[in-house]
Amino acid sequence: EAGVAQSPRYKIIEKRQSVAFWCNPISGHATLYWYQQILGQGPKLLIQFQNNGVVDDSQLPKDRFSAERLKGVDSTLKIQPAKLEDSAVYLCASSFRGNEQFFGPGTRLTVL
Amino acid sequence: TQLLEQSPQFLSIQEGENLTVYCNSSSVFSSLQWYRQEPGEGPVLLVTVVTGGEVKKLKRLTFQFGDARKDSSLHITAAQPGDTGLYLCGTSYGKLTFGQGTILTVHP
Repeated sequence: EAGVAQSPRYKIIEKRQSVAFWCNPISGHATLYWYQQILGQGPKLLIQFQNNGVVDDSQLPKDRFSAERLKGVDSTLKIQPAKLEDSAVYLCASSFRGNEQFFGPGTRLTVL
Repeated sequence: TQLLEQSPQFLSIQEGENLTVYCNSSSVFSSLQWYRQEPGEGPVLLVTVVTGGEVKKLKRLTFQFGDARKDSSLHITAAQPGDTGLYLCGTSYGKLTFGQGTILTVHP
């Protein structure tokens, strides 16, 4: 069974530029999560989708971050404009009915 | 203030040694999970503990949930280089929340 796919794996941008990350969850998993993991810390939930609806986005910095899951499958996370403190690994995870979460390999973002 | 406090933050040991990492909180949890994250990969679930005082074993790894369900420990016997990674505890306190992790390095 294929795992959670993410792209790109690495991205380097300058501050104030925009960037987008893509996630393809495990087939059949209705719940999709985006996490931010800053170096030396555990992952922090940014947003949770149930199918194409948002369940929790309380920790998403909505002035610069946005996410969508239009068809209830793939998802994109966008940052516009990026700040230096956004440098982190962005992890996507999916689960079947809110049970065990399966994580993708992440996208490492460096903002210069 | 971290909901989950993990210690130690870093651990560097030789192959064959034993080690214990801890996950503590002032809150009571219905369940607690342990994950291992290797460099360049996402976290992978190792175990979920649910009952106070519960002990679960996964090969050389032993997980314990405190009687009061406020703390947990992970003990590794005869560590191997393949055990190297970031060990995270997490709990679904409304949403899945992680501690800051313990970075374990096992030298051959």
